[in-house]
Amino acid sequence: DTEVTQTPKHLVMGMTNKKSLKCEQHMGHRAMYWYKQKAKKPPELMFVYSYEKLSINESVPSRFSPECPNSSLLNLHLHALQPEDSALYLCASSVAGVLDLGNTFGSGTRLTVV
Amino acid sequence: AQSVTQLGSHVSVSEGALVLLRCNYSSSVPPYLFWYVQYPNQGLQLLLKYTTGATLVKGINGFEAEFKKSETSFHLTKPSAHMSDAAEYFCAVIQGAQKLVFGQGTRLTINP
Repeated sequence: DTEVTQTPKHLVMGMTNKKSLKCEQHMGHRAMYWYKQKAKKPPELMFVYSYEKLSINESVPSRFSPECPNSSLLNLHLHALQPEDSALYLCASSVAGVLDLGNTFGSGTRLTVV
Repeated sequence: AQSVTQLGSHVSVSEGALVLLRCNYSSSVPPYLFWYVQYPNQGLQLLLKYTTGATLVKGINGFEAEFKKSETSFHLTKPSAHMSDAAEYFCAVIQGAQKLVFGQGTRLTINP
């Protein structure tokens, strides 16, 4: 298995909703990442988990809450989002750090906040 | 801090023509450089990377890139463009130990 799987592929949520994005990989990678990508822009790093511990938080607002329950799973919990949070959310993984092979990316969750 | 600049937000070539996508880097230490491709409504796929060693790096789908320290460049090339190469291409550099920083991207269009 050489894939990073993200669910759901599309999500529409209201500003008062609570939802979660899920990411799963079975490549034995020990680093997992969340990126946010706005239309016609490059991905921007949000969070990095290394060996299930949060190692980087790029000053992301607390309405985004990451969770890494085990080495294969990464969640992003969403609460009280704003319309400007609408974007493509990409999950990625790598062997241990990004130096090794570069990130392997999932296909993303396209989030629309209404 | 390390960064990359992609020259040209949009490049258009004819099918069968040479593809050249430009990337220049800024780094105070030897950089680790990457090229990724993103097809519409997809994630990013690693095309190739430069870490150390050989400066001419071959990647997937017939792409290659050459690391030129004297020019602080890492341009991506492909001898003959295919229609399937139409996509967004991102150059990226490692910042620190785990952060991947991307250029603004270049949209490649292939004309039949």
